[in-house]
Amino acid sequence: GQSLEQPSEVTAVEGAIVQINCTYQTSGFYGLSWYQQHDGGAPTFLSYNGLDGLEETGRFSSFLSRSDSYGYLLLQELQMKDSASYFCALFTGGGNKLTFGTGTQLKVEL
Amino acid sequence: DGGITQSPKYLFRKEGQNVTLSCEQNLNHDAMYWYRQDPGQGLRLIYYSQIVNDFQKGDIAEGYSVSREKKESFPLTVTSAQKNPTAFYLCASRDLGQGAISNQPQHFGDGTRLSIL
Repeated sequence: GQSLEQPSEVTAVEGAIVQINCTYQTSGFYGLSWYQQHDGGAPTFLSYNGLDGLEETGRFSSFLSRSDSYGYLLLQELQMKDSASYFCALFTGGGNKLTFGTGTQLKVEL
Repeated sequence: DGGITQSPKYLFRKEGQNVTLSCEQNLNHDAMYWYRQDPGQGLRLIYYSQIVNDFQKGDIAEGYSVSREKKESFPLTVTSAQKNPTAFYLCASRDLGQGAISNQPQHFGDGTRLSIL
């Protein structure tokens, strides 16, 4: 099976940069995805890393290192609306499934 | 607009009762998924389906059942065998793209909150 670990909470100030880490254990996977979920809402897709390295999408970047079983999501120029939960998820080909981590609640303060 | 519609938004279940949560998508996606989310927790996979008339158990299928008679619809029944059904239930769909392995993201509905009366 798969397991993913994330910090439960991260706090940062508006305008700052924050990194949310994700470590995982798996016997095999195709890539690592990141999703954002505001309180009581639907998760929305942010980023996907199929290969090692950095993927950049606007203010958000995501990184994957398969040799270290590690990835992170980097949020720049933080805004109050970025306060949400962020989930990393392993994409496994069998069944086209995602296995989610427990999530990191990001609080952005003034 | 294309999207995923889950209904109802809130649902209450009596002891010994089965309840069915609806999930409909008009995105023409082949794959559909049901997740359960408990407070402060990640999403856990209940059932998934990659094609009409076929579905597989996820990690926590006990006490749940599904059907996939149409591409657009993937209803979830929470049976009386599920002793702790109170949770937030999320339905998702995904385009399988040009092959089974692709980086197409999952699209989620707004969820159904189920509580026990």
